[in-house]
Amino acid sequence: DTAVSQTPKYLVTQMGNDKSIKCEQNLGHDTMYWYKQDSKKFLKIMFSYNNKELIINETVPNRFSPKSPDKAHLNLHINSLELGDSAVYFCASSQDIQGREAFFGQGTRLTVV
Amino acid sequence: ILNVEQSPQSLHVQEGDSTNFTCSFPSSNFYALHWYRWETAKSPEALFVMTLNGDEKKKGRISATLNTKEGYSYLYIKGSQPEDSATYLCARCSHNAGNMLTFGGGTRLMVKP
Repeated sequence: DTAVSQTPKYLVTQMGNDKSIKCEQNLGHDTMYWYKQDSKKFLKIMFSYNNKELIINETVPNRFSPKSPDKAHLNLHINSLELGDSAVYFCASSQDIQGREAFFGQGTRLTVV
Repeated sequence: ILNVEQSPQSLHVQEGDSTNFTCSFPSSNFYALHWYRWETAKSPEALFVMTLNGDEKKKGRISATLNTKEGYSYLYIKGSQPEDSATYLCARCSHNAGNMLTFGGGTRLMVKP
């Protein structure tokens, strides 16, 4: 059983499109995250979502929005995709916001053409 | 130090060698320091979470130390094996809400048989 799963694994789409990446965790965790692996391979936090409280990294464009239908899911919606959005996006979860370890999904490679 | 910095960026060692990496981070507003192991084509997996100044943690041949006052952590691998080849990431968690992690760029370790 995969603890944190993301779909799709690969996504190729055209500029200007709107797309979503889904994330589910079966660990019973309270907190979920989205990270972006940038061109220099750094993992950069995008969002943290805990008990309906969303914390946004201020550098994230507002074309990106997380949607959480329930505690086990945190989907990432991206509007008006741009070439620079091409990256690998990782979902993660942790038990709570008390500094605990994060469990990562396998990543979604998004390519915008 | 404004960001989380890791050194060296990459390291080649022979099987059986012991090695260590450094993670430097801002000491202000510190909450926790995480170490992750990231194998190619897989997800990052947590090795250690440390919170207290002077903390030392060990898992098999891998150990880590933490100095929160001066803002650094060391990861040690004793008797490196080829299966230790991976990128080792450290990440700092601050007292800001959300448990969001700020990652360093990683140290890529390659162990030659």
